[in-house]
Amino acid sequence: DGGITQSPKYLFRKEGQNVTLSCEQNLNHDAMYWYRQDPGQGLRLIYYSQIVNDFQKGDIAEGYSVSREKKESFPLTVTSAQKNPTAFYLCASSDPGLAVNEQFFGPGTRLTVL
Amino acid sequence: AQSVTQPDIHITVSEGASLELRCNYSYGATPYLFWYVQSPGQGLQLLLKYFSGDTLVQGIKGFEAEFKRSQSSFNLRKPSVHWSDAAEYFCAVGSLSSNTGKLIFGQGTTLQVKP
Repeated sequence: DGGITQSPKYLFRKEGQNVTLSCEQNLNHDAMYWYRQDPGQGLRLIYYSQIVNDFQKGDIAEGYSVSREKKESFPLTVTSAQKNPTAFYLCASSDPGLAVNEQFFGPGTRLTVL
Repeated sequence: AQSVTQPDIHITVSEGASLELRCNYSYGATPYLFWYVQSPGQGLQLLLKYFSGDTLVQGIKGFEAEFKRSQSSFNLRKPSVHWSDAAEYFCAVGSLSSNTGKLIFGQGTTLQVKP
């Protein structure tokens, strides 16, 4: 089955630590996205990548970093510079050539800072 | 600025009753409109989408939505709600002209279903 996987489902981090969230897709999609979700705030875009080896900042990129070395993978690192990292993180992908802008979502990772 | 507004943060309906969730957008270009549903602790699932053509679109799980350009709205409806419809619903808008594939999401509406 094609889809998007995110791991881990739950992640606990101590203050001052960097953590990396995994996102993998086997849909052969060119574009991938990372969102942060907080209660009552909808989805906010952190980073996005339209093609391998290229990515752009979204609306709330401070304290986060990404890489896009492979088409199927788009890991997100939450650095110690992120002041309030506890949130639900969602990864998505899309293929503009098939259905413009429709995004497919992974199951999410819940990050908690202890 | 581009924006999506879902005026109702929380809605409660009785099982079997009809449902309408509101969505208003502000977008300069021709919009591509979406409704997604999210169960607690899960990712988002696409319910339906509107790109062009018939302004009344049918989706999964018995949902439909109507695009009204004059009102800048894309409201989601269901004639008879089931208890399993309790979830959070997000309206989103995108555009070809942005050339980024980015979507703008509303704040979400939480649906509670009373037995």
